[in-house]
Amino acid sequence: EAGVVQSPRYKIIEKKQPVAFWCNPISGHNTLYWYRQNLGQGPELLIRYENEEAVDDSQLPKDRFSAERLKGVDSTLKIQPAELGDSAVYLCASSLVGTANSPLHFGNGTRLTVT
Amino acid sequence: QKEVEQNSGPLSVPEGAIASLNCTYSDRVSQSFFWYRQYSGKSPELIMSIYSNGDKEDGRFTAQLNKASQYVSLLIRDSQPSDSATYLCAVMGSNYKLTFGKGTLLTVNP
Repeated sequence: EAGVVQSPRYKIIEKKQPVAFWCNPISGHNTLYWYRQNLGQGPELLIRYENEEAVDDSQLPKDRFSAERLKGVDSTLKIQPAELGDSAVYLCASSLVGTANSPLHFGNGTRLTVT
Repeated sequence: QKEVEQNSGPLSVPEGAIASLNCTYSDRVSQSFFWYRQYSGKSPELIMSIYSNGDKEDGRFTAQLNKASQYVSLLIRDSQPSDSATYLCAVMGSNYKLTFGKGTLLTVNP
């Protein structure tokens, strides 16, 4: 079974530039998550999708971040414009269903550096 | 008060010893509890899940849950150098949001 696939693995951009990350979840997983992980910290949820619907985006900085999950499969997370504080690892995860007993499976992440 | 708190560590144990990792959480109606292992530069990997009070054993790993005390722990028996990593406690609340602690860095010395 293929795992969660993310691209790119690394991205270096200058501040004020846009950037986009892509995620393809495990086949059949209805729930998709985007987390951000700063150095020395645990992952923090940005947004959670149930199929195409964003059911929890309370932590997403909506002034500069946007996300979409068209057709309920793969997803894109965008930052425009990027700021220095956005440097972090962006992790995508998926689970079978959004229930309590469905553990998350993570992709390899995208390490973003904003200069 | 942080939602999920872990001993920040680092925790250092000799090879063959028992490593004990602790976690407390604030949401009393939390339903599910997970331990993830994260090697440096890698993504989190699920190693244990526990849903009811008591102990759950899987090989050298034992997860312990006490909902009354809002406490969950992970014991690693016969620790190996390959166990050296950051261990993340994750708690799923009533709204199915999975919240992570900061993680505890474990070093197993040969």
